[in-house]
Amino acid sequence: KNEVEQSPQNLTAQEGEFITINCSYSVGISALHWLQQHPGGGIVSLFMLSSGKKKHGRLIATINIQEKHSSLHITASHPRDSAVYICAVSTDGGATNKLIFGTGTLLAVQP
Amino acid sequence: DAGVTQSPTHLIKTRGQQVTLRCSPKSGHDTVSWYQQALGQGPQFIFQYYEEEERQRGNFPDRFSGHQFPNYSSELNVNALLLGDSALYLCASSWDHNSPLHFGNGTRLTVT
Repeated sequence: KNEVEQSPQNLTAQEGEFITINCSYSVGISALHWLQQHPGGGIVSLFMLSSGKKKHGRLIATINIQEKHSSLHITASHPRDSAVYICAVSTDGGATNKLIFGTGTLLAVQP
Repeated sequence: DAGVTQSPTHLIKTRGQQVTLRCSPKSGHDTVSWYQQALGQGPQFIFQYYEEEERQRGNFPDRFSGHQFPNYSSELNVNALLLGDSALYLCASSWDHNSPLHFGNGTRLTVT
């Protein structure tokens, strides 16, 4: 069993829909990261969080440390949100040390 | 302000050869991490450099080695290439181990 599990693996939504991607982990963490990867490789860090909730524009990330679970929400989704969303956790000291990645959620938002 | 830059963007090598990949961190960043991402998989941590020393290492063989220079740029070297080394190699930088990571666009290595 992977230490970081994401669901769903694939998600297709209509423009404007509210989207939720889930991440569960089985190890103790220093921080949890949500990342976005577009075709071709480039990865963008969306959030780094160790407790509570963070919001940036239409994106919201929450984490429940006790339940070892995090969610990424996208409100009013748009085709430009189409990408792979990856959850990763840092387990060794600092928040950006030795990240363990989930396998990602491929999101396609249709117009 | 340039972000993380990696070179080359693409590379084709033959099995058994050696390869060097390069990474320049974002300005002001002193910590560089390298990741290997096989097709359809999430990235796997290779190692992290700080103050020109390898600070942490993932589960990769000694064929994978690295270096960090005084200007914080870094190299990843892979010796005796195997077909299974074909992957996207990502470099990420941060200004300490608690600040957000910035990723480069990666080097896609193909071993034939």
